[in-house]
Amino acid sequence: QVQLVESGGGVVQPGRSLRLSCAASGFTFSHYGMHWVRQAPGKGLEWVAAISYDGSKKYYADSVKGRFTISKDNSKNTLSLQMNSLRTEDAAVYYCTKWGDGMDVWGQGTTVTVSS
Amino acid sequence: SYEVTQPPSVSVSPGQTASITCSGDKLGGKYACWYQQKPGQSPVLVIYQDTKRPSGIPERFSGSKSGNTATLTISGTQAMDEADYYCQAWDSSTAFYVFGTGTKVTVL
Repeated sequence: QVQLVESGGGVVQPGRSLRLSCAASGFTFSHYGMHWVRQAPGKGLEWVAAISYDGSKKYYADSVKGRFTISKDNSKNTLSLQMNSLRTEDAAVYYCTKWGDGMDVWGQGTTVTVSS
Repeated sequence: SYEVTQPPSVSVSPGQTASITCSGDKLGGKYACWYQQKPGQSPVLVIYQDTKRPSGIPERFSGSKSGNTATLTISGTQAMDEADYYCQAWDSSTAFYVFGTGTKVTVL
């Protein structure tokens, strides 16, 4: 079945880095754009970043531009999010999503806590 | 920054119709989709391209758009529909992806 499984979350100090991964299965990963979406505790959804099906185009929310990098390895069916210079306001559950004229598949999320 | 506004909460009796609005001054030129999120779960897409329903989503969920306002309608609301609902305005040509503020639907 179609599945996305995130990993890599954890507790990190402000200013440090963390790399999230998302393993995709059950669909032709190389055919689809992918996104990261986050949700701070008790808050709404926030779009973070997107990447085209072939990895050639990358887009970021203003809140993370210059600090986060999205990447896609179609040979390994893996989506990644490199997060640098983390801030307390980056603390959230991070979801990996598949784009099909809407985010039609979501992972279970991985939690990032930013605290000293 | 661009904002997409939803009412914070909507209450509905079982079997009645719930309507959730989503407003933004650029929404008329964008597509809208809707997501349902139950406590402790990941969101689920319930409407895409303003009015289309993904396979597996019950027919009681429908979407519409007029001008800069999109609406999600739940007809014959059931207790299982109690959840948070988020709209999303999007335009992939400009990498425009914005979520609404979210609406908590309570089935009384």
